[in-house]
Amino acid sequence: DQQVKQNSPSLSVQEGRISILNCDYTNSMFDYFLWYKKYPAEGPTFLISISSIKDKNEDGRFTVFLNKSAKHLSLHIVPSQPGDSAVYFCAASANEKLTFGTGTRLTIIP
Amino acid sequence: ETGVTQTPRHLVMGMTNKKSLKCEQHLGHNAMYWYKQSAKKPLELMFVYNFKEQTENNSVPSRFSPECPNSSHLFLHLHTLQPEDSALYLCASSHGQGFYEQYFGPGTRLTVT
Repeated sequence: DQQVKQNSPSLSVQEGRISILNCDYTNSMFDYFLWYKKYPAEGPTFLISISSIKDKNEDGRFTVFLNKSAKHLSLHIVPSQPGDSAVYFCAASANEKLTFGTGTRLTIIP
Repeated sequence: ETGVTQTPRHLVMGMTNKKSLKCEQHLGHNAMYWYKQSAKKPLELMFVYNFKEQTENNSVPSRFSPECPNSSHLFLHLHTLQPEDSALYLCASSHGQGFYEQYFGPGTRLTVT
């Protein structure tokens, strides 16, 4: 049973537009959420995170939104750039353990 | 070298072989992790070490044997693996087990024939 779900395996967005990546979770004990980005032949790199006591966290072009009642997390990238093309993983933490989603492959079209 | 390094990057082994994966972190972290990523599946946590002590074994078969001689090095010893063990094996580290931001190595792509 997957506790963290990324239902869109892939997403294509025009350069300069907004990219929105979504993540749903089922475990109400999750108290911290993270997004990781992965390029081919590299390990995932930490991008941005949010605590369950917040509903928004912003870092430059990246904003993460948390809707606890819907158990939904989203990552907004604006404006999207070609270098943003990668696989994005959502992760959630409970009891010092991270649970990952399956990832969404984002392709930015020049 | 900086960050988290893993060797080898690619490994092909038969089911009767014994091999080891190595991970080294240059970040001064105290917690280290092994993850497995199979095709179209999420990253699965295998083992956690905090200050060289194993604190988590996520029901991993005994054909996978971790070793953490110090806070900077982590090994995964492999023996009598099965073809379904073919996957990307990722090592990660963090300041401590309670620190959620983990830093990953590039992974070892393992193929069991």
